[in-house]
Formats: sequence, structure tokens, C-alpha cells
Amino acid sequence: EPEVTQTPSHQVTQMGQEVILRCVPISNHLYFYWYRQILGQKVEFLVSFYNNEISEKSEIFDDQFSVERPDGSNFTLKIRSTKLEDSAMYFCASSSQGGEQFFGPGTRLTVL
Amino acid sequence: QKEVEQDPGPLSVPEGAIVSLNCTYSNSAFQYFMWYRQYSRKGPELLMYTYSSGNKEDGRFTAQVDKSSKYISLFIRDSQPSDSATYLCAGAGAGSYQLTFGKGTKLSVIP
Repeated sequence: EPEVTQTPSHQVTQMGQEVILRCVPISNHLYFYWYRQILGQKVEFLVSFYNNEISEKSEIFDDQFSVERPDGSNFTLKIRSTKLEDSAMYFCASSSQGGEQFFGPGTRLTVL
Repeated sequence: QKEVEQDPGPLSVPEGAIVSLNCTYSNSAFQYFMWYRQYSRKGPELLMYTYSSGNKEDGRFTAQVDKSSKYISLFIRDSQPSDSATYLCAGAGAGSYQLTFGKGTKLSVIP
């Protein structure tokens, strides 16, 4: 069964450093998303991406964040200058027609 | 702004029981509703997807949406210990793919 994959599973970084989180969506899907979940809190929407451009973004997704689909399979989330409060699980998701969204296993980001 | 509310539990039931999980939401624009299961430190796993009001059944799971009262439910029949997880409800508006999640209900099914 096709699934969303994410790397790395755990990323530790120093405050102020740049991180790139990587995702491989399900192969025939066209819509891609990033969500985050701070420990003990709700899953929160960050951004959706379709046809090589951002279609929606939340207030969390400020200028420190960017997304890219560098090739036909990968979808990345970049955080330019990490803050302590960026520590969270980051989930990538994909969908075929913008309906059912399938999530990856997540990347745990720890900012020290 | 608490758009989707869930009782966080924990909810403990004996194996074989029928489980009822519920959410309320405030955004009238929501048209799509989903239930996810999340094991500890794992990604949400899609269980049920429904559009607008009505019922949908898949195996031991039944999802109900009542848009008039802004109430969504998930029923699990013949619950198993492997159903022990946190259950998340989520909604999205027409033309928007931004899912708004509840905080989740933690379920334990006791053998």
C-alpha cells in the first residue's frame, strides 16, 4: 500500500540554524501539505501546495518557513532560523484531489 | 479560537464494547469531516472521510455527521485492544484543504 514517507525521523538543531525536512508524497497525489504538532497540543495546519505553488497557508507559516518541490518526488519544508518554539512533530500529508489527506510518520524537530 | 472541540478523555472500555467518540465544531463552512487514529509519537492514520451530513460505515467503524447541530461522531463496534490510541476529528470547508483538528480523545481498550 502506498504511503507518505518522511526523513529524518528526528532532527536536533541549534537555535538559529536552518533545517530542511523532507517528504516523499504518495506518487499519484497532486496536493501536498505540512502540519505540525507541538507535544500535547493539536495538529495544526501550516501550508498546502498544488501545481507548484502555495494554495493556502496559516498564520504560523511566516517568512521563516518555505516549501519546495525540487523534483518530481520530494516535497520539502525549510525553516530558515529555528527558534525554541519550533520544536514539534512535523507531518507531511498528500491527497489526490484535495479530499482525504494521508499523513506521513512525522519528523520530530528538537531545537536546543 | 476553538473551532473543533473533543473530550480529551482518557476513555477506558472493556474489549468488545461499543465506543462512541464525539466532536463539536463551530465553523459553519465545514463540509468535509475526517477521523484519524494516532498512536503515540506516530502520524495520524486516516480512518473515515465523510462529506456533509449523513452516515458512513467501514467495517467496525461508523462515522456520523449532523451539520444542523455541528456534531460529528465515530462509533467503534467490537472494540479491540489494538484500537487503543488517540482519535482525532478534523473538518475542512468547501474549497479549502486546510484541516482543523480537535485535540483528540485518548482511548484505552482493556482486554
